[in-house]
This record gives sequence, C-alpha cells and structure tokens, in this order.
Amino acid sequence: EVQLVESGGGLVEAGRSLRLSCSTSGFTFGDYAMSWFRQAPGKGLEWVGFFRSKTFGGTSEYAASVRGRFTISRDDSKSIAYLQMNSLKTEDTAVYYCTRGPIEGARFFDCWGQGTLVTVSS
Amino acid sequence: QSALTQPASVSGSPGQSITISCTGTSSDVGGYNYVSWYQQHPGKAPKLMIFVVSGRPSGVSNRFSGSKSGNTASLTISGLQAEDEADYYCTSYTSSNTYVFGSGTKVTVL
Repeated sequence: EVQLVESGGGLVEAGRSLRLSCSTSGFTFGDYAMSWFRQAPGKGLEWVGFFRSKTFGGTSEYAASVRGRFTISRDDSKSIAYLQMNSLKTEDTAVYYCTRGPIEGARFFDCWGQGTLVTVSS
Repeated sequence: QSALTQPASVSGSPGQSITISCTGTSSDVGGYNYVSWYQQHPGKAPKLMIFVVSGRPSGVSNRFSGSKSGNTASLTISGLQAEDEADYYCTSYTSSNTYVFGSGTKVTVL
C-alpha cells in the first residue's frame, strides 16, 4: 500500500524558515516525481512545486508565489521528499500536502498524504 | 497564472446526474489533455477521481466521468449518492510547465 506521511508543520514567525518532510513507503520512490501542494484555511488547493525523478533530470519547478523562497529536495535512499520554506509570510499559512507525481506522460497526482498544518504568525 | 473557473456550488437529488465545468484558456485546459479532477471531503486529503481528461483510476466508481471541449473540461457524476457530497477541484498542466487549479465546486446532495 502506498503511504505518504508529512511532518514538520507548526507555528512559525513571519520571516523565519521551516522544513517539511514527506516520508513514503509502498512504492519505488526513485521512479517518481514528488510534489507539494497547499490549502489555506477555507480556501482551494494550490500547487507549490515538484521535483522530478533522476530518470527525468532531477530538476524542479515552482509556482510563482513561492519561487525563490521555497525549495523542494529529495533523498531517494530514504524515500523522503522535503519542502524547505524560507522567508515565510503570513499568507503561507496552510495545510501542506505531499503527493506522488506528476506522473510522467500523464501529469496527474495519484497519491496524497494527510497534510501538515503550517501557521505563520506576524 | 489565473485559477481555472468552476461554479462555486452544484446540487442534485439522489440518483440524478450533475456536471461540473472547469474553464481555462488555450495555455492550459485547451492546450493539453492533462486535466485531472480531485474529490475532497471536509478535513480529508484530496483523492484523484479522473486523469488525462477522462481516465478513471482503479477503485473509482464508473459513475464519475470526464470530458473536454475547447477550453472547458467537465466532470459528470451520474446516479448521485450521499457519499458524493464533497468539494471537487479540477487541475491542468500549463504551457509554463506549472499546474493550475480550479477554484473548487461544492457538491450538495439534496
């Protein structure tokens, strides 16, 4: 069974940094791109970014709203994806989800974690 | 990149069919068949319901179907059931190599 478990969320002051982790099991982690999404309280879903598998270049893409502040990385030996968030703003307050995907050639996200809440205070 | 346009809410009675629209531009929905739909119950993680416009993952009821015409994709739920009451989001790959979401549609089963 595929499982994704996010951790590292919490309360942080604006301007500070936080790193989220996504621990996975049940699939060959290195074969897949991994993505992060977020959902502000009472709002819709927002794509944050993804990190391709090494097979497809091991590069990353980001939403304009986080580019330059957020960095996604991965440790294939541990099957963990990370989201490093710097210069946090109050508008970054959200539940953050990690997902498997985008699936190469089809560009969808098939498995989601349960999410971890990040609250940025002023 | 602007969010895709979805109706805020759609409702129907049990057994009826409803359709949720998702309108974008030629740079996203209209330019690629990489449209997927996600169901989200309150307090839960999203669940993939449709991929590549009309593909259905194993385990998803065949009451859910997807289609696309021009810049608008659609999700149809037939034989509406109480368990279908949830928020639904469309998403599309874009020409900027990013992903854009719809604003979300709340489905209410009357």
